[in-house]
Amino acid sequence: RKEVEQDPGPFNVPEGATVAFNCTYSNSASQSFFWYRQDCRKEPKLLMSVYSSGNEDGRFTAQLNRASQYISLLIRDSKLSDSATYLCVVNMGDSSASKIIFGSGTRLSIRP
Amino acid sequence: EAGVAQSPRYKIIEKRQSVAFWCNPISGHATLYWYQQILGQGPKLLIQFQNNGVVDDSQLPKDRFSAERLKGVDSTLKIQPAKLEDSAVYLCASSFMTGGHEQYFGPGTRLTVT
Repeated sequence: RKEVEQDPGPFNVPEGATVAFNCTYSNSASQSFFWYRQDCRKEPKLLMSVYSSGNEDGRFTAQLNRASQYISLLIRDSKLSDSATYLCVVNMGDSSASKIIFGSGTRLSIRP
Repeated sequence: EAGVAQSPRYKIIEKRQSVAFWCNPISGHATLYWYQQILGQGPKLLIQFQNNGVVDDSQLPKDRFSAERLKGVDSTLKIQPAKLEDSAVYLCASSFMTGGHEQYFGPGTRLTVT
């Protein structure tokens, strides 16, 4: 089993739709969680951190479910510019060490 | 604020040759990361530095890869000798601190080994 697992997609949805994807992680002691966005042939950029209480940034909502060991990303009212690969990142280290694992990414394509 | 700088942007070498990549992180960022990203996969952490000390190098193939960050600022990653499977984008990132902090990535070096 991979340490961090994502559905590779692609998700192909119409503009204005709501889309959600999950990311599962294997280490229950994982400390911090993030969603990054990567455009084709570009470097990854932080989309949002994922907090225990969940957090929202405009059309984007991130949730953490520690009991089931997954994080989720919800995109509402999707735009053409949301087309990208979304990478889940988990820090599986403890307070004295850091072990950063990226998922393989979920490809999202928004069609007009 | 200047971002993370990397050079070269592209490199083509033959197998068994050596290659080195350079990274200059964002000023004031103590933590520096080197990642390998193979096409269609997520970035894989090769090595993480906190200032000039190594935090995690568990996934660095130490028989052929080496990295250093001598003065706690710039870093170099070297491959010697290169194999065909080393063809990938090598990304450098930096963050203010280690652990749960935003990482800023450089544009990467696209390596092709023939």
